[in-house]
Formats: sequence, C-alpha cells, structure tokens
Amino acid sequence: AQSVTQLDSQVPVFEEAPVELRCNYSSSVSVYLFWYVQYPNQGLQLLLKYLSGSTLVESINGFEAEFNKSQTSFHLRKPSVHISDTAEYFCAVLYGNKLVFGAGTILRVKS
Amino acid sequence: EAGVTQFPSHSVIEKGQTVTLRCDPISGHDNLYWYRRVMGKEIKFLLHFVKESKQDESGMPNNRFLAERTGGTYSTLKVQPAELEDSGVYFCASSQDRGNTVAFGQGTRLTVV
Repeated sequence: AQSVTQLDSQVPVFEEAPVELRCNYSSSVSVYLFWYVQYPNQGLQLLLKYLSGSTLVESINGFEAEFNKSQTSFHLRKPSVHISDTAEYFCAVLYGNKLVFGAGTILRVKS
Repeated sequence: EAGVTQFPSHSVIEKGQTVTLRCDPISGHDNLYWYRRVMGKEIKFLLHFVKESKQDESGMPNNRFLAERTGGTYSTLKVQPAELEDSGVYFCASSQDRGNTVAFGQGTRLTVV
C-alpha cells in the first residue's frame, strides 16, 4: 500500500530564514505528488503539484518542491519565510483515484 | 467560481445521536470525495463518487456511515449512531478530472461527546 511520511510534525523557524519540509513516499510506480496547505481556520489549499516533466515545481508564493525518484522524496522548500506562511503543510500522493496523505507538518514562523 | 462548500462548519453531538454533513461541490465537477482527519493523524480517504454512483467506498470505517449523492450534485454523509471515535474533521473535495486537480472544502469539525 502507498504511504507518505512527513518526518517532522512541527518546524519552528524565524522569519526570513530558509525552511525545508520533508516528505518521502513509498511507490514502485509512477506517481503524482502534491503539497497542500491549511492556514488557521481555513480549508486545504493546493500549494503545488508534480505530475510529469520538470522535477522542480514552484508555487506562486515562493515555495518549491523537487521530485527525486531515486530517493522517493518530494521535499518542500522556501528560501525566506514570512509570518504569513505559518500553517500546516500536507504532502500527498495520488494512488488510483484517492489521495494518500502524510501526517502533516506544522510550520511556525516566529518574528 | 464558488469553491467546495461544506455545512455545518462545526457540530457537537452526543454519543448515539445522528449527524448529517453536507457537501456542495464545485459546479460541473463529476468527482466528489470524502476524507477524514481524526485527532491530528493523517487525512484519510473515505469514498469517491462519480456523479451519483459510488466508485470506491473502501475507506468507509463501518456501516454506521452512509454517504449519498442525490442527482450527482450535492452529497451528504450521515453518521448513525455516532461514537466518540468518529470525532474529527471531515473534508469534502471535488474534481473535474479524476484525481489530479482536487479542490477541498473547509471541512466540518465533528465532536462527539
């Protein structure tokens, strides 16, 4: 069965510092990978996705993730975070018709 | 374009009672999904509709959960009778294409006391 591992349950970081949220998945077949974000008191929003093509994908608010097939990883990075990036981030893989999610990583940006 | 809408946003019920959650997908989206997150754990798949038909209900926990999608539009998820372990956040999602561009609602936070 597919599984997604987000190793860090919480990541505290100071404003303007870089951050990496780690995600590893288990799969022996082609995968579609996603990062979703849930801001406080809001629903899940798609941040970025990898379907095919370039292994580096970017979001409109400065996040990027790189698909690494050999390491079965899809880590999320941002070179300089803002207070407004405080949220919970979920990595997910599409398995058939369903999304399989990791446990989530809470990013806390401190001033 | 209106997003996926869920009602209610919060519900607190007693053990043994019945609760019905509603989801209105994005107009024109044939695919509708229910997911659940229990107590800070992973968000887990419950079931998938294509129009009014259940395509996959492998994630439904037990027969206390009943999902319907009348006329292929909105969907309801009924829990009867509710148990304490049913507490969590229930997310609805919809997509036009199967799987890869899924929009989620804000979720319904269900608390069973």
